[in-house]
Amino acid sequence: DIQMTQSPSTLSASVGDRVTITCRASQSISSWLAWYQQKPGKAPKLLIYKASSLESGVPSRFSGSGSGTEFTLTISSLQPDDFATYYCQQYNSWWTFGQGTKVEIK
Amino acid sequence: EVQLVETGGGLIQPGGSLRLSCAASGFTVSSNYMSWVRQAPGKGLEWVSVIYSGGSTYYADSVKGRFTISRDNSKNTLYLQMNSLRAEDTAVYYCARYSGNYYYYYMDVWGKGTTVTVSS
Repeated sequence: DIQMTQSPSTLSASVGDRVTITCRASQSISSWLAWYQQKPGKAPKLLIYKASSLESGVPSRFSGSGSGTEFTLTISSLQPDDFATYYCQQYNSWWTFGQGTKVEIK
Repeated sequence: EVQLVETGGGLIQPGGSLRLSCAASGFTVSSNYMSWVRQAPGKGLEWVSVIYSGGSTYYADSVKGRFTISRDNSKNTLYLQMNSLRAEDTAVYYCARYSGNYYYYYMDVWGKGTTVTVSS
C-alpha cells in the first residue's frame, strides 16, 4: 500500500501569508495526486488534481506542484475562507489520503 | 446541478447491519466510477469501496467481506450494505464520484455525508 505523509500537521498563519503544505508518498506516484479542502462538518472539496491542475472554480491563489514522491500545495495569499484542513490523496494505486494539515488563524 | 445526497445513517449495535444510500442528480451513476469514503470522529479520510462503471467492485481490507457496494440504475442511486458492524466503523460516510481517464481516477464530487454510530 502507498502511504501518504503530510507536513506540518498544523500550521498557524495570518491573512495574507503565503502558505505551503508538503505531501510525501512512500513510493513514486508520478503526478497522480489530488488536494482537497475540508471545513468542519463539511464534505471535502477538490482543489487540485494531477498534482498541479486547478479544479474549475477554485481560486488561482491555490497551486500545486511536484511529481514522483514529493508534492506541495501553496496558497499564495491566505484568505479568511481558507482556514480549513487540507488533505492530499494519491490515485496511482487505489486511493490513500494523507493525515491532513490544519491551517489555523495565528 | 451535479449533486449527491447520502441517507441511511444512524445508531446501530455492534454486529448489526445498515444500508446507506446515495442519490445522485445531474449525472448518471452507472456511467461513472463511484466510491464510499469514511471519516472517523476527529480522524482523516479513508477510502472504503469503489464500483466501476462496468460493475466491478473493490473494497478496503478493513471492510472486505462485511460491506457490499451496489447501485440501482433505475433510481440513479448508489448503496453501501454494511454487515457485522464494529465500533471502529463509526464514522461519517461520504459517497463520491470519480473523474479521470485511463487507469487514473480522483474524486471530484462529494456528498455531504451520513453519520454511522456503532455502539451498544
